[in-house]
Amino acid sequence: GQNIDQPTEMTATEGAIVQINCTYQTSGFNGLFWYQQHAGEAPTFLSYNVLDGLEEKGRFSSFLSRSKGYSYLLLKELQMKDSASYLCAVMDSNYQLIWGAGTKLIIKP
Amino acid sequence: GAVVSQHPSWVICKSGTSVKIECRSLDFQATTMFWYRQFPKQSLMLMATSNEGSKATYEQGVEKDKFLINHASLTLSTLTVTSAHPEDSSFYICSARDSGGAETQYFGPGTRLLVL
Repeated sequence: GQNIDQPTEMTATEGAIVQINCTYQTSGFNGLFWYQQHAGEAPTFLSYNVLDGLEEKGRFSSFLSRSKGYSYLLLKELQMKDSASYLCAVMDSNYQLIWGAGTKLIIKP
Repeated sequence: GAVVSQHPSWVICKSGTSVKIECRSLDFQATTMFWYRQFPKQSLMLMATSNEGSKATYEQGVEKDKFLINHASLTLSTLTVTSAHPEDSSFYICSARDSGGAETQYFGPGTRLLVL
């Protein structure tokens, strides 16, 4: 079956760096997405990786290793507003998104 | 980035009534739109995939006669919750995939449905 694994919850300190990991097993691969979802709101798009390597976008970076079925989202210079759930999703061979359960990130002052 | 709107953002209705939710892609065309439901503190659950000009594809366990989906144009999909019951109370979110670009799904702001 298809599976996306990411930690349920993580805690980090304001100003620090945090890495949220995601491992996947899917039938085919057409890219991996990271979304941010604040409580009570819809998800917002953060990043898309389809090739191996690191994609940097401001304070956020996303890494992909297709051979290992692994990705991470790196958040630098954490701010209180970064407290949210971070969703990892993989697009399979049918171009359907398979969603992880999300990682709730708690930022402490 | 691409913008997707949803209307209404909030709806409270009596049990037995029908509720229609609209999802619009504002600055791009979307051949495919998706409808999700999310209960508090739970993951997104895909309900159905809406394809412009054809019938929607429903996920297992989702009743097609209860959740009517119409995708009449490249920028509009509607979800109608028919004969709503309290257990249908949830956060309904649509997303749209840009037909002319990457496979990224852009989400609408969501609709909170409360059935009394």
